[in-house]
Amino acid sequence: AQKITQTQPGMFVQEKEAVTLDCTYDTSDQSYGLFWYKQPSSGEMIFLIYQGSYDEQNATEGRYSLNFQKARKSANLVISASQLGDSAMYFCAMREGGNYGGSQGNLIFGKGTKLSVKP
Amino acid sequence: DGGITQSPKYLFRKEGQNVTLSCEQNLNHDAMYWYRQDPGQGLRLIYYSQIVNDFQKGDIAEGYSVSREKKESFPLTVTSAQKNPTAFYLCASSPGRDNTEAFFGQGTRLTVV
Repeated sequence: AQKITQTQPGMFVQEKEAVTLDCTYDTSDQSYGLFWYKQPSSGEMIFLIYQGSYDEQNATEGRYSLNFQKARKSANLVISASQLGDSAMYFCAMREGGNYGGSQGNLIFGKGTKLSVKP
Repeated sequence: DGGITQSPKYLFRKEGQNVTLSCEQNLNHDAMYWYRQDPGQGLRLIYYSQIVNDFQKGDIAEGYSVSREKKESFPLTVTSAQKNPTAFYLCASSPGRDNTEAFFGQGTRLTVV
């Protein structure tokens, strides 16, 4: 079973509008972390935002915010005031558990959403 | 500047050859990872290492090998046993503490010719 599901292969958004990229996850651990990365066409992976499973407030980083709904196991990324430079692939990822030294702790990625910002 | 350096950026391999992808980090991170990315796909874990002289197989380790002789370096060898090696390879590192992000290199695009 997929651990990270991103159901939107591609999304379009008008410049200056907000967009939500969906991510659902599957884990039986109580302690886990959720991450969003941006991958422009150059290929590098750029870290955007992090949400811990015990965090009560939704994470925010500038124009990025994470809509964390623990009971629904969703961690959607919201980008406000889209810019042309936001056009890229976006990946949701999860790190399970907290056991240093075991297979837990590795980042598990979804298949990504390609966001295109229209001028 | 601190960061992760992967080399080369582009690599061409003839069928039946082994090739080694370099990954160096100066972030003093304990953990290092290799991921493979195919077109339109997410990242799949090949190997990871959480401490020097120790490494573990990820989800798709067959046809690959690694070493971790130094904290800063985690080279990946794509062997001739890897049947479909053409892909984009990303190296990452993290401090190894819980719930810290991984930092990625620029990637190596490997093509079999």
